[in-house]
Amino acid sequence: AQSVTQPDIHITVSEGASLELRCNYSYGATPYLFWYVQSPGQGLQLLLKYFSGDTLVQGIKGFEAEFKRSQSSFNLRKPSVHWSDAAEYFCAVGEGTYKYIFGTGTRLKVLA
Amino acid sequence: DGGITQSPKYLFRKEGQNVTLSCEQNLNHDAMYWYRQDPGQGLRLIYYSQIVNDFQKGDIAEGYSVSREKKESFPLTVTSAQKNPTAFYLCASSGGAGNQPQHFGDGTRLSIL
Repeated sequence: AQSVTQPDIHITVSEGASLELRCNYSYGATPYLFWYVQSPGQGLQLLLKYFSGDTLVQGIKGFEAEFKRSQSSFNLRKPSVHWSDAAEYFCAVGEGTYKYIFGTGTRLKVLA
Repeated sequence: DGGITQSPKYLFRKEGQNVTLSCEQNLNHDAMYWYRQDPGQGLRLIYYSQIVNDFQKGDIAEGYSVSREKKESFPLTVTSAQKNPTAFYLCASSGGAGNQPQHFGDGTRLSIL
């Protein structure tokens, strides 16, 4: 069965430090991949998406992600974290039907 | 601006009561979704609809019902059969079959009185 794994439940980084959030997926075909961010009590906002082509995709708020087929990974990165980046981050796969599979999320804490 | 509107933001349910959560979108999207979010469990799919007058059960449909009479609207009813309804409920829409991102509302937090 298709699945999405986010191995890190919590991550803490200092402001200005680099960030990498991990996402691994299990899917037979070429996946449609997404990263979303959620602030407390809010809905999810799309950060970036990968469908095909260039495996390094740029998103909003200075985030980027790299698709690595050989590792079944789609890790999210940011070179320098800001305090406002503290939130929960979700990786998701679109199955190509009308269903999406979400990871359980990674909560990011930023130290001043 | 186009988007998804969920109401109310907070809702309280009494024992044995059915409650309905509203979701309206003006994005002209065909597909709409309801998710339940509990701490540490990510998003779990309750129901989804690909088109008006059609909907499918998701992974946790028991105790919930939906309707899709209009393209813009996809209300969710939490019935008395749902014994643990306390959660954050998110509505979403998308313009394609898994190859388009979803757009989310700001959620409804449901609690038991």
